[in-house]
Amino acid sequence: DADVTQTPRNRITKTGKRIMLECSQTKGHDRMYWYRQDPGLGLRLIYYSFDVKDINKGEISDGYSVSRQAQAKFSLSLESAIPNQTALYFCATSDTTASSYNEQFFGPGTRLTVL
Amino acid sequence: AQSVAQPEDQVNVAEGNPLTVKCTYSVSGNPYLFWYVQYPNRGLQFLLKYITGDNLVKGSYGFEAEFNKSQTSFHLKKPSALVSDSALYFCAVSEVSGGYNKLIFGAGTRLAVHP
Repeated sequence: DADVTQTPRNRITKTGKRIMLECSQTKGHDRMYWYRQDPGLGLRLIYYSFDVKDINKGEISDGYSVSRQAQAKFSLSLESAIPNQTALYFCATSDTTASSYNEQFFGPGTRLTVL
Repeated sequence: AQSVAQPEDQVNVAEGNPLTVKCTYSVSGNPYLFWYVQYPNRGLQFLLKYITGDNLVKGSYGFEAEFNKSQTSFHLKKPSALVSDSALYFCAVSEVSGGYNKLIFGAGTRLAVHP
């Protein structure tokens, strides 16, 4: 979805380095999410934020941190990258209205390789 | 906890034939079910969702899904497959907990449509 952008699209880094992945959206949604995708495991939720002052851990938050700088921006950081964090990372947004069954809109993904 | 299962890693179909991608779910309460598609090097795109009402849900690109409460299934279908339908398909269920809602994804099914 072009309304959700992620930078960088690809990144190769070394073990121990700090990495930040950025997500911006122009959809005006309050809710933003970070997922990682691994082959055979589907998408797993890392962190989610339902507004600027609301940050919550997902099922696999260890080794990650996030920052919600504004309604439109949600960044994911790996403080000290390790090889098993090599994955495809997706940002997503959703609307608050009728939230239980609103679809999420995904960015194009960031392919991260940790050597 | 809510969960979804996609029992097939890959589905192979000849172009022009009908296709089915299977999904079963386990939820407490009302199931809100989704299908997403991921084309190569792209983010996930929303196809359709079931909230309530008619058990046959129509979505994008000619896809539809049949909700079956007794079999706890939500299979994705298309009457006539196209080569361009080849992609990775994810089933998901909305989980509501403590006032927050999240999507729980299946592991994904790769659909290969052969000419």
